[in-house]
Amino acid sequence: EIVLTQSPGTLSLSPGERATLSCRASQSFSSSYLAWYQQKPGQAPRLLIYGTSSRATGIPDRFSGSGSGTDFTLTISRLEPEDFAVYYCQQYARSPSTFGQGTKVEI
Amino acid sequence: EVQLVESGGGLVQPGGSLRLSCTASGFTFGDYAMHWVRQAPGKGLEWVSGISSGSGDIIYADSVKGRFTISRDNAKNSLFLQMNSLRSEDTALYYCTSRRGSGWPFDYWGQGTLVTVSS
Repeated sequence: EIVLTQSPGTLSLSPGERATLSCRASQSFSSSYLAWYQQKPGQAPRLLIYGTSSRATGIPDRFSGSGSGTDFTLTISRLEPEDFAVYYCQQYARSPSTFGQGTKVEI
Repeated sequence: EVQLVESGGGLVQPGGSLRLSCTASGFTFGDYAMHWVRQAPGKGLEWVSGISSGSGDIIYADSVKGRFTISRDNAKNSLFLQMNSLRSEDTALYYCTSRRGSGWPFDYWGQGTLVTVSS
């Protein structure tokens, strides 16, 4: 199975700063099948980005995704207070679909 | 508004069984593949099982294969997960999630139902 490794484990930033989250895969796969989810405490995950760079419905444009092959990035251009959460990457190119271990973005 | 509502979780002894349900509304349930994803307390997300829109394709994580059975009833907009031979490591919040097809991410998620396996 494809193992996804996210870094850093925790990102400590302030509102207004830029956040850059990394997701590295154990083997290459099509960028069409990489997603990012946001999870706040006590809530279900929410789809942010799919196909590496397409924003899901209602997701603000401060969220952007990029990458290819084995290296993918989620960028939050200017952190808003509501963006402090845990972020997971996911590959759905090959079964089983797998998730990274998560990056916590904290104040 | 899309809603996925899970139920059926609870406390069960090791070796016991539980049946989870997920009721969908706000979208054409029969057009979507459905999956279960779980999250152990304080841990990350783990995909568990998936079923295609017409129930023709079913897949399981190795960790639950032979113990869990996924099924659906499109007439009742419902998804199920029969969990047998439960182990302590199955303790988690179980989410029901929808997917347009194999080339799509998990777009809608329920709030989850908690399964605790303990003596």
